[in-house]
Parts: sequence; structure tokens; C-alpha cells
Amino acid sequence: DIQMTQSPSSVSASVGDRVTITCRASQGISSWLAWYQQKPGKAPKLLIYAASSLQSGVPSRFSGSGSGTDFTLTISSLQPEDFATYYCQQANSFPRTFGPGTKVDIK
Amino acid sequence: QVQLQQWGAGLLKPSETLSLTCAVYGGSFSGYYWSWIRQPPGKGLEWIGEINHSGSTNYNPSLKSRVTISVDTSKNQFSLKLSSVTAADTAVYYCARVAEAAAAGWYMDVWGKGTTVTVSS
Repeated sequence: DIQMTQSPSSVSASVGDRVTITCRASQGISSWLAWYQQKPGKAPKLLIYAASSLQSGVPSRFSGSGSGTDFTLTISSLQPEDFATYYCQQANSFPRTFGPGTKVDIK
Repeated sequence: QVQLQQWGAGLLKPSETLSLTCAVYGGSFSGYYWSWIRQPPGKGLEWIGEINHSGSTNYNPSLKSRVTISVDTSKNQFSLKLSSVTAADTAVYYCARVAEAAAAGWYMDVWGKGTTVTVSS
């Protein structure tokens, strides 16, 4: 199985801050990576697919980059509705695996 | 607008079989995979498996011996069965649509609201 790690595990930030989350795969996955946002009690929501493609309807303050084993999710200017947990997921091989999550909370 | 509506028993005893169904409304059933993912309380996401409209399946090896995912194309529904459950299977179970992104991988782009399943004697 491909293991996914994320850092940091949590980050405290203020509205307007730039936030960057890192995801690392245990082996190369090309650009086959997604980012999801999950709010408490809700289902995850797809934000980014294929490492850098913005899902329809997702605000442009979200962006993704990377390939191979190292990936980043950037929120350019944090908004109140962005406080949530973010997961990366590899789509390169089975089983599909997720990172452990990064919680973004209010400073 | 595609919507996924899921249902099933929420309280099970150890050794029983978990059974959940997910119905797809407002979109095509073919051309996608249909997946189950679970999330234990306070923990991360675990992919269980997926199926397409013709019944082709992929399962997580960690659960494969206990999992069956099936499809009913006449009703645009797919189902999950997980046998011999234990407390470790207590989780919120989600169904999701898996769509291909132009030869750049398959991603879970539409999710059900989740069903809480508790296993307790």
C-alpha cells in the first residue's frame, strides 16, 4: 500500500493568513492526488484533483501543486468557512489511501 | 445535480453483518465507479472498495475477506455488506461517486451524507 503522510497535523491561523499543507507519498504517484475538505459532521468535499486542478465551484484561493512524492495545498487568504480538516488521497494505485488529515483552526 | 442517498442499520451486535445501500439520483450511473469509505470516530478516512455499473469491483485488501459490494443498475443503487463486524468497525460510512479526470486519475467527487454504524453488544 502507498502510505500518505501530512504535515502539520494541525495549524492555527487567522482570517486572511496564507496556509500551506504538505502531503507526502511513500512512493511516486505522478500527479494522481486529490485534496478534500471536511467540516465536523459533514462528508468530505473534493477541492483539488490531479494534484493541481481545481474542482468546479471551489474558490480560487485554494490551489494545489506537486508531483511524484511531494504535494502542497495552499489557501491564499484564509476565510472563516475554511476552518476544517484537510485530507490528501492518492489515486495512483489500489487500495486508495488517505493522509491522516490536517486540522486548520482559529488562532 | 447528482445526489447520493444512503441508508442502512445503524446498530449492530458483534458478528452480525453490516448492510448499507446508496441510491444515485439526478445523474448517469454508468461511466463511474461507486465507492464506500468509512471514518471511525475522531479518526481519518479509510477506503473500503468500489464497483462500476457492470459489477467490476476493487476492494481494500485489509477488508476484502469480509466485504461485498454489489450493484443494482435497475434502481441506480449500490450496496455494501461487511460480515462478522466487531467494535473496530464502528464508524461513519460514506458512499461516493468516483469520476475519472481526463486520464489523470479517478477521484471521489460526490459524497453521500454518511451513515453512523455502531457495533456494540
